Amino acid sequence: DAKTTQPPSMDCAEGRAANLPCNHSTISGNEYVYWYRQIHSQGPQYIIHGLKNNETNEMASLIITEDRKSSTLILPHATLRDTAVYYCIVILNYGGSQGNLIFGKGTKLSVKP
Amino acid sequence: DTGVSQNPRHKITKRGQNVTFRCDPISEHNRLYWYRQTLGQGPEFLTYFQNEAQLEKSRLLSDRFSAERPKGSFSTLEIQRTEQGDSAMYLCASRPQGRPYNEQFFGPGTRLTVL
Repeated sequence: DAKTTQPPSMDCAEGRAANLPCNHSTISGNEYVYWYRQIHSQGPQYIIHGLKNNETNEMASLIITEDRKSSTLILPHATLRDTAVYYCIVILNYGGSQGNLIFGKGTKLSVKP
Repeated sequence: DTGVSQNPRHKITKRGQNVTFRCDPISEHNRLYWYRQTLGQGPEFLTYFQNEAQLEKSRLLSDRFSAERPKGSFSTLEIQRTEQGDSAMYLCASRPQGRPYNEQFFGPGTRLTVL
C-alpha cells in the first residue's frame, strides 16, 4: 500500500502558485519523498525528490516539514499544461534498492484559465 | 525522440486470446519496469529487470503473464488467455544505473481492451 495521503483533487488559477500537500507520517529516516505527475494519456513524469532539505528545480519546489511527516509540492506559476494527476511517493533511495514505485491515487490538479 | 517507446499504443482483443506488448527503453538504461494502470488508479508495479535478469515479480503477475528482456535491451510482456479484468494501460519505464535511483522514465503505455 502507498505510504502517502493526498487530497483527491485541487483547482488552481492559471498563473498562480499551485501548492499540493502530501502526508507521509510513517516515513522512515532513510526514505525519500519523490513526486511524479501524469498528464492525461501519457506515462508518469518525474518532477523532483528530497530527503529533508527543501529542493528546487526548473519544474517545481519541494518543501518538507522538519519532522518529515508531510511535504508540499509547489508549482510557482501554474499553466494549463500543468493540469495532471500528481503523485507523492515515499521510497528508499540507494543503489541496492530495486526502486519499484508504489503509486497511490494522487491529486488531480486542474488549472483553470 | 530517444525516450521510452511502447508498441502497440492500443490493442483490442477478444477474451481468451494472447497478446504481446513491446517496450524499448532508453538505450543506456539497464533497469526496466512494467506497471499496470486501471482507470482512476495509480500505476501498479508488475515486474523489474536489471539487464536481462528478471529480479522481481509482483503477485499481480499471474501465471498467465510472462515478461522477457533478451540481451538486456527491449522487453516484451505477454498475456495468455486474456480476461476482461486484464483491460488496463500497461506502462514500461526505464532508468540508468546510479543517481537519482528512483527517477524512472516512462513510456506512453499500451492500452489493452479485452472484449
